[in-house]
Amino acid sequence: AQKITQTQPGMFVQEKEAVTLDCTYDTSDPSYGLFWYKQPSSGEMIFLIYQGSYDQQNATEGRYSLNFQKARKSANLVISASQLGDSAMYFCAMREARGGGSEKLVFGKGTKLTVNP
Amino acid sequence: DAGVIQSPRHEVTEMGQEVTLRCKPISGHDYLFWYRQTMMRGLELLIYFNNNVPIDDSGMPEDRFSAKMPNASFSTLKIQPSEPRDSAVYFCASSIMAGFTDTQYFGPGTRLTVL
Repeated sequence: AQKITQTQPGMFVQEKEAVTLDCTYDTSDPSYGLFWYKQPSSGEMIFLIYQGSYDQQNATEGRYSLNFQKARKSANLVISASQLGDSAMYFCAMREARGGGSEKLVFGKGTKLTVNP
Repeated sequence: DAGVIQSPRHEVTEMGQEVTLRCKPISGHDYLFWYRQTMMRGLELLIYFNNNVPIDDSGMPEDRFSAKMPNASFSTLKIQPSEPRDSAVYFCASSIMAGFTDTQYFGPGTRLTVL
């Protein structure tokens, strides 16, 4: 079974509008971390934001925020006031704590975001 | 502070040739990871090191792949002999620790094309 599911292969948003990128995850481990990365066309993987399973508040980093709904096992990325430079692939990833596998970062298949002027 | 450094950024080689990819992790990071990204399989962990020691190489596709970390500031991923199906982007990443709260920081990647 897939541990990370990103159901939106592509998303479009108008410049200056907000957009939500979906991510659901599957784990029975109570301790886990969720990460979002951005991959622009230049290819590098840029860390955006982190949410821990025990965090009470949703994570925020500038224009990025994470809508964390633990019971639904979702960790959606919200980008406010979209900019043309936000056009990129966005990956959701998870790390679990147990069983010696905590080192592994498991990625979803990504969502391609296009910001239109 | 310098991020993770990888070289070369692009590599084009012919089938059967040896390929060596290089990585310098962020100073002070004890964990180093090698990933491969392809359209078909997405991002896959190949191998990771803790304090220069390989811990899990279960993701290495076959014996043609090998990785070393001779010191805390340098790692190599070698493919010998290379095949066209090895064409992919190879990322190196590092982190301070390897707990579920620890962020992995990625290098710019090496785009490998095997003809």
